Amino acid sequence: QMQLEQSGAEVKKPGSSVKISCTAPGGTFNNHPVVWVRQAPGHGLEWMGSFITSYGTTSYAQRFEGRLTVAADDSSGTAFMELSRLTSEDTALYYCARRRPGSDFWFFDLWGRGTQVTVSS
Amino acid sequence: DIVMTQSPESLAVSLGERATIKCKSSQSVLFTSNNKNYLAWYQLRPGQPPKLLIYWGSTRESGVPDRFSGSGSGTDFTLTISNLHAEDVAVYYCQQYYNTPPITFGQGTRLEIK
Repeated sequence: QMQLEQSGAEVKKPGSSVKISCTAPGGTFNNHPVVWVRQAPGHGLEWMGSFITSYGTTSYAQRFEGRLTVAADDSSGTAFMELSRLTSEDTALYYCARRRPGSDFWFFDLWGRGTQVTVSS
Repeated sequence: DIVMTQSPESLAVSLGERATIKCKSSQSVLFTSNNKNYLAWYQLRPGQPPKLLIYWGSTRESGVPDRFSGSGSGTDFTLTISNLHAEDVAVYYCQQYYNTPPITFGQGTRLEIK
């Protein structure tokens, strides 16, 4: 099954930041938007933010505004997510996903396996 | 925000039998001008990337076995897995894309073998 390639697991201290990368197969997202979704222990999937690669614009879930940055460099086929001011509640599995090509609608056909982020003192 | 509520939280079904998972949205996700339901279903298996199964409420993604089917309209949707296989053990999520942002998911339904 084709997938996006995500960077490895991270262990972080409270108050620090984490940056996760996500690489497209073939080295390009072909300007398709990328989203970041997380799953905390005992919880379901939660959308965090989106990057529209063709316009370079972003959209964030309200609860992450001000401490989440998403971006992508389509020349290298890599998307990034950086979350700052981490707390233990940010311990989760973080996924990147690509909006399905051929659709202007927000459902996702290609995902990474997830990056585990553990926040612990 | 549109709230998605799934039921049951978990279920156990025998191999070869049918599994039925429900998803209810807090407001309609049917866009009447094109008669499409802005609803997708995903499968999450441990250690695997999430997999898109269904979009537009009932359109099966390429490569998804036809034992997976989606139905419903407006606010009430069903994912049916017929002839359950062992590899169907997973957590299943519905997701609306009618009114975004935010993109919202159900809380997930865990499917196990009885």
